[in-house]
Amino acid sequence: ETGVTQTPRHLVMGMTNKKSLKCEQHLGHNAMYWYKQSAKKPLELMFVYNFKEQTENNSVPSRFSPECPNSSHLFLHLHTLQPEDSALYLCASSQATGGAGNTEAFFGQGTRLTVV
Amino acid sequence: AQTVTQSQPEMSVQEAETVTLSCTYDTSESDYYLFWYKQPPSRQMILVIRQEAYKQQNATENRFSVNFQKAAKSFSLKISDSQLGDAAMYFCAYTSNYQLIWGAGTKLIIKP
Repeated sequence: ETGVTQTPRHLVMGMTNKKSLKCEQHLGHNAMYWYKQSAKKPLELMFVYNFKEQTENNSVPSRFSPECPNSSHLFLHLHTLQPEDSALYLCASSQATGGAGNTEAFFGQGTRLTVV
Repeated sequence: AQTVTQSQPEMSVQEAETVTLSCTYDTSESDYYLFWYKQPPSRQMILVIRQEAYKQQNATENRFSVNFQKAAKSFSLKISDSQLGDAAMYFCAYTSNYQLIWGAGTKLIIKP
């Protein structure tokens, strides 16, 4: 247990559904991240929040909508997804962003998403 | 482009033996950090070892050590006395500003 909790662990949704992924960290970190992990590909950074402000959106389609109500919680709202969006979605947190980034990222166990 | 290359999609090693996982990266920055992360079947990504680019001394963490060659932009991970619990995907990454740039991973299989 790294202090970062993601729910649900598994999610199957239809292309017309709306669902949300939740991430919670109890480490006192001020930066949170969403990553997409597909088989045999490098992790893809999707969004970065620093002190609740979104500082990075790596050209993610609008069918993915992040929300960060406070430094401890991060959501990823999903709507009208495509089958190619099926992947493992990982949440991470770290103490700070910026500079050489010498801080360790702590990850949750991920949500395995299947779009049918 | 900023990239990390892990040329070995899969490696296997006999229990108690030593294995080395390779990683090369491409960056124009002079100050950065390098990491090896482990992802076991539980999917939890865990930091194994960290290296600061301005330090010449190779980082070590118990059975894990790195061979950092800055000029060659190479950052390999050596696991000594391999244990069954070391079986996992291993990812190499480096920092660029506030982002971690990741490799595609190497699957490590431990043979009992």
